[in-house]
Amino acid sequence: QVQLQESGPRLVKPSETMSLTCTVSGGSITSSYWSWIRQSPGKGLEWIAHLYHNGVTKYNPSFESRVTISVDTSKIHFSLRMNSVTAADTAVYYCARHVWPPAGAFHIWGQGAEVTVSS
Amino acid sequence: EIVLTQSPGTLSLSPGERAILSCRASQSVTSGHVAWYQQKPGQAPRLLIYGASNRAPGIPDRFSGIGSGTDFTLTISRMEPEDFAVYYCQQQGGSPELTFGPGTKVDLK
Repeated sequence: QVQLQESGPRLVKPSETMSLTCTVSGGSITSSYWSWIRQSPGKGLEWIAHLYHNGVTKYNPSFESRVTISVDTSKIHFSLRMNSVTAADTAVYYCARHVWPPAGAFHIWGQGAEVTVSS
Repeated sequence: EIVLTQSPGTLSLSPGERAILSCRASQSVTSGHVAWYQQKPGQAPRLLIYGASNRAPGIPDRFSGIGSGTDFTLTISRMEPEDFAVYYCQQQGGSPELTFGPGTKVDLK
């Protein structure tokens, strides 16, 4: 059974770059779509970006100018990099695997990484 | 952008009662790809329904979804104690491609 786990620094300074990694256990990134989603009290749940298992990506226009997602060659990690962070980026960040065959829904979620942007 | 509106904001029920949650889209979700999630405090959302009416694996049959176009509904036929939570709808279509509603909290009357 596929499980996901987010990892990375939980405290990031304003204007710096936030980096998170999602590790896949019980499977690999060889099919389906994989997303980053965040949740904050002010904005609720927001989809950030997804990548297809072949590395093709799609971004939410609200984040596109400062976000990069990628999958590594091991096919068991994919990452999120967000630059120029501000306090508004304080949120719980989730990685998720989409339903397959594609139906635009997030089937498997990580437990979430609570990231605070503060000096 | 397809904006999702959920109603009511809060629903107060007793165990055994039926819950009817509404999700309305600002424009037609032509893909038919509407999903529903349950979230409890400190946990990630859990997928209940996808494709408007398909139950995710392991989801009890007291959860059902229906809808098309701009109006979608999640029904919980008989509330169990573990069903008190926040419920979100989510759609695929437009730009951004994937958006969520603000949620409906179902709490104990």
